[in-house]
Amino acid sequence: GQQVMQIPQYQHVQEGEDFTTYCNSSTTLSNIQWYKQRPGGHPVFLIQLVKSGEVKKQKRLTFQFGEAKKNSSLHITATQTTDVGTYFCAGLRETDSWGKFQFGAGTQVVVTP
Amino acid sequence: DTGVSQNPRHKITKRGQNVTFRCDPISEHNRLYWYRQTLGQGPEFLTYFQNEAQLEKSRLLSDRFSAERPKGSFSTLEIQRTEQGDSAMYLCASSAPFPDTQYFGPGTRLTVL
Repeated sequence: GQQVMQIPQYQHVQEGEDFTTYCNSSTTLSNIQWYKQRPGGHPVFLIQLVKSGEVKKQKRLTFQFGEAKKNSSLHITATQTTDVGTYFCAGLRETDSWGKFQFGAGTQVVVTP
Repeated sequence: DTGVSQNPRHKITKRGQNVTFRCDPISEHNRLYWYRQTLGQGPEFLTYFQNEAQLEKSRLLSDRFSAERPKGSFSTLEIQRTEQGDSAMYLCASSAPFPDTQYFGPGTRLTVL
């Protein structure tokens, strides 16, 4: 089963609003990656976080890695219709060697104009 | 560089048949991953190669599944004696160390009748 949990499962947002999606792990992660998958498409890499408390920004997207390296968040400001899709986090447990990424079930984002 | 390619894009088979999928990674990428994705779920890790060596394999991967990467370039995933539960999208991704961004292919959609 999923060892990386994402909430919420669905997010309905009005265009222009902000929202945050969260990723939680029961174990400490050495690496967390975020991906976006458009309907009918394949996952596309957004960002990678490796340091405790790390914050990275990409235009309207802000990614954060928790201090305990067990959770992460993605915050989108001023949502646009192009933000539609499912956002996945993928974590690599500290006890696992490279490669064994565990994906969350994703947050499906629907944007209302 | 044309990205990660996968063949075939769609495969319909009858229960009990064997199927083989191929993944051609980005040429300079030495790391290759196989995932399985079902509707409404995130990609589920199956196996990981570094060059030709299979370094990680999910416990969920039964002995009906086998993957190879004989020359450290393309990879094949074979499913023997397919079952209806094997119906899913099979995704391949590749990456190069630092920054280890995973680039996904378009996937092979398997339908087992």
